Amino acid sequence: DIQMTQSPSSLSASVGDRVTITCRASQSINNYLLWYRQKPGKAPNLLISAASSLQTGVPSRFSGSGSGTDFTLTIDSLQPEDFATYYCQQSYSSPFTFGPGTEVDFK
Amino acid sequence: QAQLVQSGAEVKKPGASVKVSCKTSGYTFSTSGISWVRQAPGQGLAWMGWISAYNGYAKYSQNFQDRVTLTTDTSTNTAYMELRSLRSDDTAVYYCARDYYDSSGFLDSWGQGTLVTVSS
Repeated sequence: DIQMTQSPSSLSASVGDRVTITCRASQSINNYLLWYRQKPGKAPNLLISAASSLQTGVPSRFSGSGSGTDFTLTIDSLQPEDFATYYCQQSYSSPFTFGPGTEVDFK
Repeated sequence: QAQLVQSGAEVKKPGASVKVSCKTSGYTFSTSGISWVRQAPGQGLAWMGWISAYNGYAKYSQNFQDRVTLTTDTSTNTAYMELRSLRSDDTAVYYCARDYYDSSGFLDSWGQGTLVTVSS
């Protein structure tokens, strides 16, 4: 199975801050990488697919980059609704493993 | 717009089984698959398996393979997840999600989640 790691596991930020989250795969997954945001008590919401393709309706302050084993999610100008947990997931091969998550909370 | 609506919360005793439903609408059921993901309290997301709504072929995570069965009913556009031999550590929220490209891992629409509590 492909193992996914994320860093940091949590971070504190303020509204308007720029936030960067890193995801690493245990082997190359090309660009088969997705990012989700999960608000407390809610289902995850797909933000980015194919490492850098923003889903329809997702604000442009979100961006993704990377390929191979190293990936990044960046949130420019953090908004109140962005205080949540973010997960990466590889879709390169089954089982489609998730990273452990990065919690973004208020500073 | 795809919508997935799951059945309500369940409380089960250890050793019992649970069957969670996921009723879909807003898209052609047979053109996508359904994945199931679980989330234990305070924990991350764990992919359990996937089923094709086109032909019923299913693939399971080894972590659950012996105890889980995924099925679909194309007459009602509904997917089901049955988990057997429940243990206390199966207490979790179980999500269904549309796998847009049918076993691609591209989970673009999710159900609201079903809390399954296993307690004696």
